[in-house]
Amino acid sequence: QKEVEQNSGPLSVPEGAIASLNCTYSDRGSQSFFWYRQYSGKSPELIMSIYSNGDKEDGRFTAQLNKASQYVSLLIRDSQPSDSATYLCAVSDGNAGNMLTFGGGTRLMVKP
Amino acid sequence: DADVTQTPRNRITKTGKRIMLECSQTKGHDRMYWYRQDPGLGLRLIYYSFDVKDINKGEISDGYSVSRQAQAKFSLSLESAIPNQTALYFCATSDTRTGLHGYTFGSGTRLTVV
Repeated sequence: QKEVEQNSGPLSVPEGAIASLNCTYSDRGSQSFFWYRQYSGKSPELIMSIYSNGDKEDGRFTAQLNKASQYVSLLIRDSQPSDSATYLCAVSDGNAGNMLTFGGGTRLMVKP
Repeated sequence: DADVTQTPRNRITKTGKRIMLECSQTKGHDRMYWYRQDPGLGLRLIYYSFDVKDINKGEISDGYSVSRQAQAKFSLSLESAIPNQTALYFCATSDTRTGLHGYTFGSGTRLTVV
């Protein structure tokens, strides 16, 4: 069974610091990788996608992908209290019509 | 209006009752999904549909059924609700034609079975 693993946290960082969220996956055939942010009681919101090795930056967010190590990460620079949420890593399954497998999420707490 | 709309937003029902959760989308996506999420747990796939005539069970389909009435509508039914089906339910959509662009989620339905 294909797996996506995340540390459940909570990951606590002070305001203004860099938050680093990590995710490992088991399926070497995965082609697409996503980070979703989910506030408590709300729906997941797509914040980053990455398809090739290396870094992808979007504002304060940077996604990093290393397919050889089966590892994807999300860096949040200048963390704000409003970034406090659960972050879900999702990985596509190329053999299942590119359906997504979700990790359990990492809860991030940014303290003022 | 939201791209993916779920109704109702909240529902309290009694054990043994039949209940339907509805999902409609205006994104024109061909694929639709139903997930449940329990406190502190991740998303678990209940059913998914790649098009109107293609419906598949997910990892936790027991006790649930679905209907894809049209490309834009995908309903989830609990035939005889039980308390451990109390959860937050999400509908999601994706588009095969535009490739690997992730899912769009509805706002969710909070279901309580008493």
